[in-house]
Amino acid sequence: QKEVEQNSGPLSVPEGAIASLNCTYSDRGSQSFFWYRQYSGKSPELIMSIYSNGDKEDGRFTAQLNKASQYVSLLIRDSQPSDSATYLCAVNRYGNNRLAFGKGNQVVVIP
Amino acid sequence: ETGVTQTPRHLVMGMTNKKSLKCEQHLGHNAMYWYKQSAKKPLELMFVYNFKEQTENNSVPSRFSPECPNSSHLFLHLHTLQPEDSALYLCASSQGDNLSNQPQHFGDGTRLSIL
Repeated sequence: QKEVEQNSGPLSVPEGAIASLNCTYSDRGSQSFFWYRQYSGKSPELIMSIYSNGDKEDGRFTAQLNKASQYVSLLIRDSQPSDSATYLCAVNRYGNNRLAFGKGNQVVVIP
Repeated sequence: ETGVTQTPRHLVMGMTNKKSLKCEQHLGHNAMYWYKQSAKKPLELMFVYNFKEQTENNSVPSRFSPECPNSSHLFLHLHTLQPEDSALYLCASSQGDNLSNQPQHFGDGTRLSIL
């Protein structure tokens, strides 16, 4: 079983719609969860971090964490063309900063 | 500007060449990381340094040799690479290696092509 899985293929959403991305992880000892956005040819950029169960909102982004089910999701509300990028889910365990990454989900926002 | 600068941005080298990748962070962090990003694969952690000491070598072949002279600089020395080593090499930094809630900040990477 992969440590961090992002299974969805490329996601196309119309401008103004909600984009929903899911990520599951295998290690129950995981404590910190991050979403990075990566534009083509650029570095991964941190957009959200979440550490406890529930929702965390930051502007148009909402991260949701469910440790019992071992998944973390990212919602992008009012999607804009500038949100078109690959979104990487990253997870690490308590006590160290070794990030395990998923393969990423490509999001395409259609004007 | 991410606060983490990598040079060169692009590098083409033959399998017998020796080259080095450089990373510098201006964030006052104590931990630095090398990652490899290949097409359609997750980011792979290669090396971790915390306060200049190597704390992780993720079974990386010896043709990759890291060096961390201080907390702000990290190098990756390359020699006798293989075509499968062609990838984007990313450097990252964070407050400390043992702080799991501190996010990592990435540089823009070096796109490496092995001929």
